[in-house]
Amino acid sequence: EAEVAQSPRYKITEKSQAVAFWCDPISGHATLYWYRQILGQGPELLVQFQDESVVDDSQLPKDRFSAERLKGVDSTLKIQPAELGDSAMYLCASSSRLETPTKNIQYFGAGTRLSVL
Amino acid sequence: GENVEQHPSTLSVQEGDSAVIKCTYSDSASNYFPWYKQELGKRPQLIIDIRSNVGEKKDQRIAVTLNKTAKHFSLHITETQPEDSAVYFCAASISGTSYGKLTFGQGTILTVHP
Repeated sequence: EAEVAQSPRYKITEKSQAVAFWCDPISGHATLYWYRQILGQGPELLVQFQDESVVDDSQLPKDRFSAERLKGVDSTLKIQPAELGDSAMYLCASSSRLETPTKNIQYFGAGTRLSVL
Repeated sequence: GENVEQHPSTLSVQEGDSAVIKCTYSDSASNYFPWYKQELGKRPQLIIDIRSNVGEKKDQRIAVTLNKTAKHFSLHITETQPEDSAVYFCAASISGTSYGKLTFGQGTILTVHP
């Protein structure tokens, strides 16, 4: 069965350094989401793409975080500079535009665990 | 925006017992409520979902109930097994557009003792 791919699985960095995470959604999925999951909490949406366009980035700390999905397929989330408080799991999810309007089944990747030292 | 509260934060049961996890939501416009299971080190996976025009849905040992008036929904697991041990997340979404954003609860750590 098709899965959302993410890399790297783990990333350790020092504060003030730049980090980048990559996500490849399930083929044909038009909607892509980046979530941050702090240990012991539920995922929190950072940014949502429909094809190559951002439709919601209201919770994205734009002074240090950026996200792009240039060709409407895979996506990159970047943090520059990283801070200690950015340590978390970063999850990518995708959903198909073909889902019925009253459903939004999101399929998650395995995530990238970031540790900022 | 939407706020989802989930209780309890931890739940410990004996194998064969039932487990119930409850969530409340704040936005009466929410109309889609999925539940995800996340095993240690693995991705969240959808286990069951319910729409606002349905009061209850069952799938083998799991069921979800929805009370729109009270704005709460619950996950019920019967005949629990050790492999049910995981973190469970509820979520709420205002669908009806192509973009439905999910707001998640804080999660419940379920431990099933053999």
